[in-house]
Amino acid sequence: DVKVTQSSRYLVKRTGEKVFLECVQDMDHENMFWYRQDPGLGLRLIYFSYDVKMKEKGDIPEGYSVSREKKERFSLILESASTNQTSMYLCASSPGLAVYNEQFFGPGTRLTVL
Amino acid sequence: AQKITQTQPGMFVQEKEAVTLDCTYDTSDPSYGLFWYKQPSSGEMIFLIYQGSYDQQNATEGRYSLNFQKARKSANLVISASQLGDSAMYFCAMREPSYSTLTFGKGTMLLVSP
Repeated sequence: DVKVTQSSRYLVKRTGEKVFLECVQDMDHENMFWYRQDPGLGLRLIYFSYDVKMKEKGDIPEGYSVSREKKERFSLILESASTNQTSMYLCASSPGLAVYNEQFFGPGTRLTVL
Repeated sequence: AQKITQTQPGMFVQEKEAVTLDCTYDTSDPSYGLFWYKQPSSGEMIFLIYQGSYDQQNATEGRYSLNFQKARKSANLVISASQLGDSAMYFCAMREPSYSTLTFGKGTMLLVSP
């Protein structure tokens, strides 16, 4: 079974702090994704990576950066956290980008920025 | 324009009854994939069912079936014999070859009562 893990289920940070959200997958998937989920807005793509050190901006990349130094790990970085980044963050991985490739999700991190 | 539309913010159903969750989509690609995910209160997104645009038959997975009407661009999820554990948020998503990731709808909250 594919397993996608995220470093924290719940996180509370202060405005201005640098925040790292870590995601690890154990199925050798090429592609990894970071989404944020807000009530009434569904899931919105922040960044995705299709290979080590490769990344592409999603729909809402402002205020975020990412890092993929190893195939299994994809990190989301909030350089200076703000209250409007309080949200649920979901990481996903996928074996390919074909239309039939599902995405496998981690358990999510609920981030609160005070 | 929204690519995935889920018009029902919430649905109520009694245990053991069937329920249909609506999803319409918009794409000009002839090849695409449609997915349904379930998100319980724990937060993890669970893949339920997949339908390819060229599939001749409607997809089924246990109690889940997909009512795929290509001309109407609809892909409704049917859950037969609802169970209390089906109470969750349900997301419809689409994958197009021209876009690297899934596009999600805003979700439908399903509540199953005894």
